[in-house]
Amino acid sequence: NAGVTQTPKFQVLKTGQSMTLQCAQDMNHEYMSWYRQDPGMGLRLIHYSVGAGITDQGEVPNGYNVSRSTTEDFPLRLLSAAPSQTSVYFCASRGPGNTIYFGEGSWLTVV
Amino acid sequence: AQSVAQPEDQVNVAEGNPLTVKCTYSVSGNPYLFWYVQYPNRGLQFLLKYITGDNLVKGSYGFEAEFNKSQTSFHLKKPSALVSDSALYFCAVRDQAGTALIFGKGTTLSVSS
Repeated sequence: NAGVTQTPKFQVLKTGQSMTLQCAQDMNHEYMSWYRQDPGMGLRLIHYSVGAGITDQGEVPNGYNVSRSTTEDFPLRLLSAAPSQTSVYFCASRGPGNTIYFGEGSWLTVV
Repeated sequence: AQSVAQPEDQVNVAEGNPLTVKCTYSVSGNPYLFWYVQYPNRGLQFLLKYITGDNLVKGSYGFEAEFNKSQTSFHLKKPSALVSDSALYFCAVRDQAGTALIFGKGTTLSVSS
């Protein structure tokens, strides 16, 4: 009963470093997405995917890449981390009835 | 433009009293509306949704929400608040393209004993 699993939970990066946030779901959902949460701004969509091999940009895609080689996995890559990317990142998948299920979050600090 | 507004940053209620967390939305067509709750250092948990049908929607943990089309509102309610209900609550609407949820900024609910 794993649902949506994200790793790592916490990460500190130096400016300019790259890293990948991992996301996996075991519910066979076609739709997956990445959001970032910032204080007073709610959640904003970074990228999404409607199925394996298909990705598209959301509201705030700059500085991030995604790929979807399998239905289960949807990693988010930070190419060259900047302090503005300090945030909490949530991976999500959408099930029947349009309900979106979220992972537990990844807290990222860029120094 | 599609948007969700949660006009209150914080709502304070005493345990046992009814609570309301307000949400208004702006979207073309029939709205798909959602409420989520977030506890500290945790992900968002689904509470309830309105897609179609009865305007009063019942959800998890005793919460309910009332859809009002004329006022474009979807307020979250609970008849009797618990201290454990203290958390951050988000209202969201599915965007017109059906590709994402548009979230409000969140309302912190604080229930005192």
